[in-house]
Amino acid sequence: EPEVTQTPSHQVTQMGQEVILRCVPISNHLYFYWYRQILGQKVEFLVSFYNNEISEKSEIFDDQFSVERPDGSNFTLKIRSTKLEDSAMYFCASSVENLRGYTFGSGTRLTVV
Amino acid sequence: DAKTTQPNSMESNEEEPVHLPCNHSTISGTDYIHWYRQLPSQGPEYVIHGLTSNVNNRMASLAIAEDRKSSTLILHRATLRDAAVYYCILRERSNDYKLSFGAGTTVTVRA
Repeated sequence: EPEVTQTPSHQVTQMGQEVILRCVPISNHLYFYWYRQILGQKVEFLVSFYNNEISEKSEIFDDQFSVERPDGSNFTLKIRSTKLEDSAMYFCASSVENLRGYTFGSGTRLTVV
Repeated sequence: DAKTTQPNSMESNEEEPVHLPCNHSTISGTDYIHWYRQLPSQGPEYVIHGLTSNVNNRMASLAIAEDRKSSTLILHRATLRDAAVYYCILRERSNDYKLSFGAGTTVTVRA
């Protein structure tokens, strides 16, 4: 069964550093998403991406965040200057159309120290 | 502002059916009911979705009340692998069908 692949599985970074989280969505999917889950809390929507542009973003997704689909297969989330409160599991997801089920990756655990 | 209401937790015995209720009294005619689950230390996993009619797939069944204000996810024979948090999500046209997760129901399966 097709999978969404995320790398790395775990990343530790120092506060203020930039991080890039990588995702390879399912190949025929057109809609892409990033969510995050702080330990013990709900899964929160960050951003959706379609047709090479952001279609929606949440209040969490401020100027320190950006997304990119640089080469038609990868989908990346960049955090420019990490803060302690950015520590969370970050999940990438994709879907063939917006109303169908999303396929989520296994996540990247980001630890900011 | 929760759009769905689910019990915090449920327990089940292995190989018995599990019925997970969800209330969504504010649902409108164009809103979809989606169910996801999240196994420990994993990302959410799509289970099933429906609009008006009951739905079946290889993972589960979704029974939607006639007035659509509630639904029930049915796992026909629970296994230990079904222990997870189950999320009932209302995807509303008024909210651009956003997929927003609540607290869900934590399902424990006893061997």
